[in-house]
Amino acid sequence: GIQVEQSPPDLILQEGANSTLRCNFSDSVNNLQWFHQNPWGQLINLFYIPSGTKQNGRLSATTVATERYSLLYISSSQTTDSGVYFCAVDESNMLTFGGGTRLMVKP
Amino acid sequence: GAVVSQHPSRVICKSGTSVKIECRSLDFQATTMFWYRQFPKQSLMLMATSNEGSKATYEQGVEKDKFLINHASLTLSTLTVTSAHPEDSSFYICSPKRTDTQYFGPGTRLTVL
Repeated sequence: GIQVEQSPPDLILQEGANSTLRCNFSDSVNNLQWFHQNPWGQLINLFYIPSGTKQNGRLSATTVATERYSLLYISSSQTTDSGVYFCAVDESNMLTFGGGTRLMVKP
Repeated sequence: GAVVSQHPSRVICKSGTSVKIECRSLDFQATTMFWYRQFPKQSLMLMATSNEGSKATYEQGVEKDKFLINHASLTLSTLTVTSAHPEDSSFYICSPKRTDTQYFGPGTRLTVL
């Protein structure tokens, strides 16, 4: 099956800092999604982004499908951004998740 | 739209007992249901896929006789962990699918003593 790798695995930021999270995948995909898992475990969809760039407030994402990677940018981070960020790829009508990036934003 | 509920949100049970987890899509019909398991500080791992009215397809390494999945209607699926053991302690997440989109339940945290 498809392999999905995320980096870095852990990230600590000072409030206000910017960061870039990366997701590499091993094969062509139908779609790619970024999720934020909050401290209570709920997955919140951030972006559907099979290709191109999208922005939503302080977050933006870029997927370069031909090179099999996606980036999630977080600008002016806030403590509420803490949690785990997952990318997930849709290869055969189901989502396969990467290992996640655990983000802690300190005040 | 696309509200998904899971019940219970948290359960503690003794080793050897069975636990049933319910997943409901409250405002849409889900033809396909995915069940994931997440161990502490790890990613979501797919356990099984089920389509309404048919038997579930289990991923390699997941015992179908231990994790019973019922998808009897388009709005309800259940996962029963039979004869639970401490190693089954995990966070279980259902994910109903509508057309091309997967939605996620809030999860059920199972602790087996």
